[in-house]
Amino acid sequence: DAGVIQSPRHEVTEMGQEVTLRCKPISGHNSLFWYRQTMMRGLELLIYFNNNVPIDDSGMPEDRFSAKMPNASFSTLKIQPSEPRDSAVYFCASSPAGTGLREQYFGPGTRLTVT
Amino acid sequence: GENVEQHPSTLSVQEGDSAVIKCTYSDSASNYFPWYKQELGKRPQLIIDIRSNVGEKKDQRIAVTLNKTAKHFSLHITETQPEDSAVYFCAASLGGGANNLFFGTGTRLTVIP
Repeated sequence: DAGVIQSPRHEVTEMGQEVTLRCKPISGHNSLFWYRQTMMRGLELLIYFNNNVPIDDSGMPEDRFSAKMPNASFSTLKIQPSEPRDSAVYFCASSPAGTGLREQYFGPGTRLTVT
Repeated sequence: GENVEQHPSTLSVQEGDSAVIKCTYSDSASNYFPWYKQELGKRPQLIIDIRSNVGEKKDQRIAVTLNKTAKHFSLHITETQPEDSAVYFCAASLGGGANNLFFGTGTRLTVIP
């Protein structure tokens, strides 16, 4: 099993540009989580999906952020327009049905730099 | 909303000594408390967790204690080894899921050989 796959691993973009981060959860997992990690704010849960349906997006910082999960094997986190304060490492994680956080597997993360 | 505080922010111990990291939470409804270990440049990994109906849980050299009345919980690492060096995060959530999931700010543990 390849684990949770995220792409790109690194992204550098200019302020105002659209950024799309991608995640492929572990096959068979039905929960998917997006996190953001910064030095200032630590680790924050942005949104999570169960069976492709967004359950709680209260952690999404602003309307500039949006996430989709069109099918069980793919999710995107989009920032439009991006700003320098969005610079962070964005982690995607997935877990099997009924396990919640206990069997959550994190992807390697995408390091985003907005200049 | 929930507020999780974690102390200390940095901790250095000699190899073989014990390390203790403490967290407090504000929402008495929180009932699931996971701990994560994150090595430099790597992803977080859950190392131990505890539910509010349990006061203590151990897994080899790692233990977690929970005081529900005082709303604080602690991570204890005994016989520390250099490979224990990492950032440790506590978290609190409702029901073991991602509802009302909040993290502490992390503790950077350095184990000195």
